[in-house]
Amino acid sequence: TQLLEQSPQFLSIQEGENLTVYCNSSSVFSSLQWYRQEPGEGPVLLVTVVTGGEVKKLKRLTFQFGDARKDSSLHITAAQPGDTGLYLCAGGGNNQGGKLIFGQGTELSVKP
Amino acid sequence: NAGVMQNPRHLVRRRGQEARLRCSPVKGHSHVYWYRQLPEEGLKFMVYLQKENIIDESGMPKERFSAEFPKEGPSILRIQQVVRGDSAAYFCASSPRTPYNSPLHFGNGTRLTVT
Repeated sequence: TQLLEQSPQFLSIQEGENLTVYCNSSSVFSSLQWYRQEPGEGPVLLVTVVTGGEVKKLKRLTFQFGDARKDSSLHITAAQPGDTGLYLCAGGGNNQGGKLIFGQGTELSVKP
Repeated sequence: NAGVMQNPRHLVRRRGQEARLRCSPVKGHSHVYWYRQLPEEGLKFMVYLQKENIIDESGMPKERFSAEFPKEGPSILRIQQVVRGDSAAYFCASSPRTPYNSPLHFGNGTRLTVT
């Protein structure tokens, strides 16, 4: 069974702090995607990374794909209450038969 | 363009009844995926379908659960003789290609409660 392990599972911080969420696996992925989910809604794509070592920035969010394409990280700078939500990483590729495998998620709460 | 539409948003069933969950993908998307989510957990893959074909059903229990994506009409996830452990949020997603080449577009889910 291919697993994506996310850490931490829960994170509660104050507005303005920085944080990093990790997504690790023993499997190699062709691509890794990060989604954000708010209560009562479906996940929404934030970014896709496909090249080992790739770094993508989305405003205050920085995403990195590991050199071996087995792990990824999401770093948020100066978190805001609007960043609160469930962050999910998902990996896909030939080894996964065309489907995306999701991590268990990181529940982020940013307090004003 | 309309996104992925799922209905109903909330479904209450008694033990032993049938639940039918519907999903209309984004227009033009031929790949449909069903995922199940328990509170404060990630998404567990259930089944991957293309038009009229089941590509991968490795995450779906062999008994009581079935899925289809007919040539015309929405994709249906059917749960027969529901039990309390089936209570969860069920999400449908679609993509124009296999998702490691393109993102998944998710609906807002159907929350099934079995009483």
